Amino acid sequence: DGGITQSPKYLFRKEGQNVTLSCEQNLNHDAMYWYRQDPGQGLRLIYYSQIVNDFQKGDIAEGYSVSREKKESFPLTVTSAQKNPTAFYLCATQRDRGGSPLHFGNGTRLTVT
Amino acid sequence: QKEVEQDPGPLSVPEGAIVSLNCTYSNSAFQYFMWYRQYSRKGPELLMYTYSSGNKEDGRFTAQVDKSSKYISLFIRDSQPSDSATYLCAMSARTGANNLFFGTGTRLTVIP
Repeated sequence: DGGITQSPKYLFRKEGQNVTLSCEQNLNHDAMYWYRQDPGQGLRLIYYSQIVNDFQKGDIAEGYSVSREKKESFPLTVTSAQKNPTAFYLCATQRDRGGSPLHFGNGTRLTVT
Repeated sequence: QKEVEQDPGPLSVPEGAIVSLNCTYSNSAFQYFMWYRQYSRKGPELLMYTYSSGNKEDGRFTAQVDKSSKYISLFIRDSQPSDSATYLCAMSARTGANNLFFGTGTRLTVIP
């Protein structure tokens, strides 16, 4: 079953705690992305990685960190420095840089109280 | 001014209607255009992907790009209740999604 797996589907944390969201893909796609989706604001890019061991900040990287140690995996850590972490987080992959579209996982809903 | 503008709706239509969803944009360099469908609590699913101007048809869905007007459309024929979702447009000026811009999405409800 090929695709993008995000886990967990729902995550609850107390304020001040770091939390890591998982994203795994078996599509053999080179690039991986993290987006945040909030009502009325559309998708905002947090981080992206086009090759293993390399990643770049997106538009809203503050308070987040990532790693890309394997092609298949691109975990996102939401740190306590992120001022408003409650959101729907989406991981996406892209086959290559040749204009191919993004493919998305089914997201993780993070709630921080 | 936002790079991509999309009417958030909500849009309600009766089953069987033709639906027209639209986005406008300001960057004339955009040349890759996408439409995604997103069901509640799910990730966006790619529906249509086009390059440059023109039409593309896939079943009940037709995507149109008018670069001269900086306007893209998605038409849904014979709409079904299962089409009820949020539709996102997205576009890019060049390869690499670090330059991908999304609309905020239009919520569509098809009433049986």
